[in-house]
Amino acid sequence: GQNIDQPTEMTATEGAIVQINCTYQTSGFNGLFWYQQHAGEAPTFLSYNVLDGLEEKGRFSSFLSRSKGYSYLLLKELQMKDSASYLCVFMDSNYQLIWGAGTKLIIKP
Amino acid sequence: IAGITQAPTSQILAAGRRMTLRCTQDMRHNAMYWYRQDLGLGLRLIHYSNTAGTTGKGEVPDGYSVSRANTDDFPLTLASAVPSQTSVYFCASSEGTSGGADTQYFGPGTRLTVL
Repeated sequence: GQNIDQPTEMTATEGAIVQINCTYQTSGFNGLFWYQQHAGEAPTFLSYNVLDGLEEKGRFSSFLSRSKGYSYLLLKELQMKDSASYLCVFMDSNYQLIWGAGTKLIIKP
Repeated sequence: IAGITQAPTSQILAAGRRMTLRCTQDMRHNAMYWYRQDLGLGLRLIHYSNTAGTTGKGEVPDGYSVSRANTDDFPLTLASAVPSQTSVYFCASSEGTSGGADTQYFGPGTRLTVL
């Protein structure tokens, strides 16, 4: 079967760094996305990885290891507005998106 | 530029009633999607459309129907609502390129309560 695992909730301090991990099991893989979703709002695209390695985009970076079925989202210089849920999503062999339940990130001053 | 809009924003509905959730995009995207989001679960795909005139079933299609008469509109109909259909419904669209980072853009959602 296909499955995604990510922590339900994490807490971090403003100005710090946090890493949100995601593991997945799938028979076919065509890429991994991270989306951000603020409470009561729609998900918005953050990043896409299809090859192994680190993709950096400003304060956010996303890493992928296809052999390990593992990805992480790294957020630097945390700001209060980063309080949100972060959704790990992979694209299966049929190009369908399989969504994780999300990690709720709480930022404290 | 509106992007993607949904209506209504929220709705309380009696069980057994028929309801259509509306979704319109102005980005000329080929593909459109309907998801439901329930607490503790990932987004689940209800129906999708790769291009105008075609539709397909997602992970949880039972009790829902869709149509795609043109590029812009993708309504979702609940023929006879049941309480288990209480959820937040998101419509999304994407360019629909085969393979690669076909990023999906989401509407603001419809919060539906079925009593």
